[in-house]
Amino acid sequence: GAVVSQHPSRVICKSGTSVKIECRSLDFQATTMFWYRQFPKQSLMLMATSNEGSKATYEQGVEKDKFLINHASLTLSTLTVTSAHPEDSSFYICSARGGTEGPEQFFGPGTRLTVL
Amino acid sequence: EDQVTQSPEALRLQEGESSSLNCSYTVSGLRGLFWYRQDPGKGPEFLFTLYSAGEEKEKERLKATLTKKESFLHITAPKPEDSATYLCAVPGSGYNKLIFGAGTRLAVHP
Repeated sequence: GAVVSQHPSRVICKSGTSVKIECRSLDFQATTMFWYRQFPKQSLMLMATSNEGSKATYEQGVEKDKFLINHASLTLSTLTVTSAHPEDSSFYICSARGGTEGPEQFFGPGTRLTVL
Repeated sequence: EDQVTQSPEALRLQEGESSSLNCSYTVSGLRGLFWYRQDPGKGPEFLFTLYSAGEEKEKERLKATLTKKESFLHITAPKPEDSATYLCAVPGSGYNKLIFGAGTRLAVHP
């Protein structure tokens, strides 16, 4: 149980384009999902917390208009990187709180974004 | 301020050489401590949750223990496939947010 998927696993785009990443909880309903960013050899950096049916809560320093988050259902959250630039290239990982509503988070496999 | 510190930063072991990873934490009111394994280019994989001092959890060659100030991840007779980065995390004061340590990069050589 507690499986989280992400799509796509890798994406390469040109500078100035927008990229959407999907995060799905496959076998449980997730009222809360999280989006992280990870740079090489560094730990995870929380970008935002996404609650189903409400606006996402962004961490300090994360641009809301740059990283659009939508949590339209209990099993799907999306992260859209708008007008992507090379500095947005990174590894993006989502997670979801499990159906038991305990504090554990279960992570997706991640999406490698490369902006040319 | 909530804080999680892991040591060592990197650890190199020979196959079969047992060792321990440390995670010390400072948080007001512990509501669980989590261990994850992360392979390069992948998301963290959940390993254990510990809730109270004295609690232990085991999975194959891994055993996690918890005290009031720290947690240990013991690796017994490791194999090369145990090579990964091991992360520990605790819920922050806001409950939703996980506070992660920087991780321990473990390399097990045959």
